[in-house]
Amino acid sequence: DGGITQSPKYLFRKEGQNVTLSCEQNLNHDAMYWYRQDPGQGLRLIYYSQIVNDFQKGDIAEGYSVSREKKESFPLTVTSAQKNPTAFYLCASSLTSGTARTDTQYFGPGTRLTVL
Amino acid sequence: DAKTTQPNSMESNEEEPVHLPCNHSTISGTDYIHWYRQLPSQGPEYVIHGLTSNVNNRMASLAIAEDRKSSTLILHRATLRDAAVYYCILAGAQKLVFGQGTRLTINP
Repeated sequence: DGGITQSPKYLFRKEGQNVTLSCEQNLNHDAMYWYRQDPGQGLRLIYYSQIVNDFQKGDIAEGYSVSREKKESFPLTVTSAQKNPTAFYLCASSLTSGTARTDTQYFGPGTRLTVL
Repeated sequence: DAKTTQPNSMESNEEEPVHLPCNHSTISGTDYIHWYRQLPSQGPEYVIHGLTSNVNNRMASLAIAEDRKSSTLILHRATLRDAAVYYCILAGAQKLVFGQGTRLTINP
């Protein structure tokens, strides 16, 4: 089955530790995205990548880092510089890298990160 | 980024039609209107999108005002599985911008 996988579903970390969230897709999509969702809120864009070895900051990139070494994978690292990292993190992908106007984004099941 | 305005919540009954409104008065000529929905503790899923003409698919219909400053997502016959948060989004060149959406409750 084609789709997007995120692991783990729940993640607990101590304050001050970096943590990496996994996102893998087998849809052969060029573009991938990371969003953050806080309780009762919409999604906010952290980073996006339109092609391998290239990525751009979204609206709330501070305290996060990403890499795109393979088309299938777009891991997100939440660093200790992120002041309030506890949130629901969603990864998405879309077919083309050209425009979001007509592309459909396919979302993974999400990772709920809790920093203790 | 152009913004959308949606009611915080709506309620409807099972097997009845549901009309979810969205205002987007600052929409630009090239922005597409997308709708996604999100079930609890899941990632959003695509519902429908359009530019100027009304659109239909197996999930819903999208009615777009002639001036494009508003649109309405229509669920023709709601089921309990349609209970979700519905997001109306203006899709620009490179990204989607999600608002807070409308929480739809379906009564049995």
